[in-house]
Amino acid sequence: ELKVEQNPLFLSMQEGKNYTIYCNYSTTSDRLYWYRQDPGKSLESLFVLLSNGAVKQEGRLMASLDTKARLSTLHITAAVHDLSATYFCAVDMGGSQGNLIFGKGTKLSVKP
Amino acid sequence: DSGVTQTPKHLITATGQRVTLRCSPRSGDLSVYWYQQSLDQGLQFLIHYYNGEERAKGNILERFSAQQFPDLHSELNLSSLELGDSALYFCASSVGVGLSDSPLHFGNGTRLTVT
Repeated sequence: ELKVEQNPLFLSMQEGKNYTIYCNYSTTSDRLYWYRQDPGKSLESLFVLLSNGAVKQEGRLMASLDTKARLSTLHITAAVHDLSATYFCAVDMGGSQGNLIFGKGTKLSVKP
Repeated sequence: DSGVTQTPKHLITATGQRVTLRCSPRSGDLSVYWYQQSLDQGLQFLIHYYNGEERAKGNILERFSAQQFPDLHSELNLSSLELGDSALYFCASSVGVGLSDSPLHFGNGTRLTVT
């Protein structure tokens, strides 16, 4: 059974600081996705990582994937309050199943 | 706006009742997925349909069932409801049977409260 673990689960940051969220998964997969969810809202796709060594950046967020280590990171640079949300990583089960297995999420709170 | 439409937005019902949640996928998407989000279990995959056929089942209870119709909309039926079924139910869609290079696109969810 594929397991996806994120840490930390809760993160309180000050504006302007840097931090990294980690996502480990238990079986081989080449596809990993990062989503953002605001309270009571839907999930918004942030990044799609499709191969070993993939790195994607959007604004203050950068995601990377190491399939050999079964590890993805989401790095936050110079955090701002608008980044406060819950961030999920999700791993593709692959094949024709096509469903994602989600981590428990990291609740990020950025304080002034 | 993801293009995935879910109705209703909120649903309040009593234990033992049955409800139906509806999802219309993005235009052109043939796959529909259902997820349940609760505080204790997180986001749990329930079931996946592709072009009307069931493709994968996750942690879906026997009291729950789903189908995808010829027009590609999908319904999730929840019966003999229990307090623990209270959750946010998301529908998501994608173009193909697998995820390919695209992420899943999620609807805004249906919040179910069982009293």
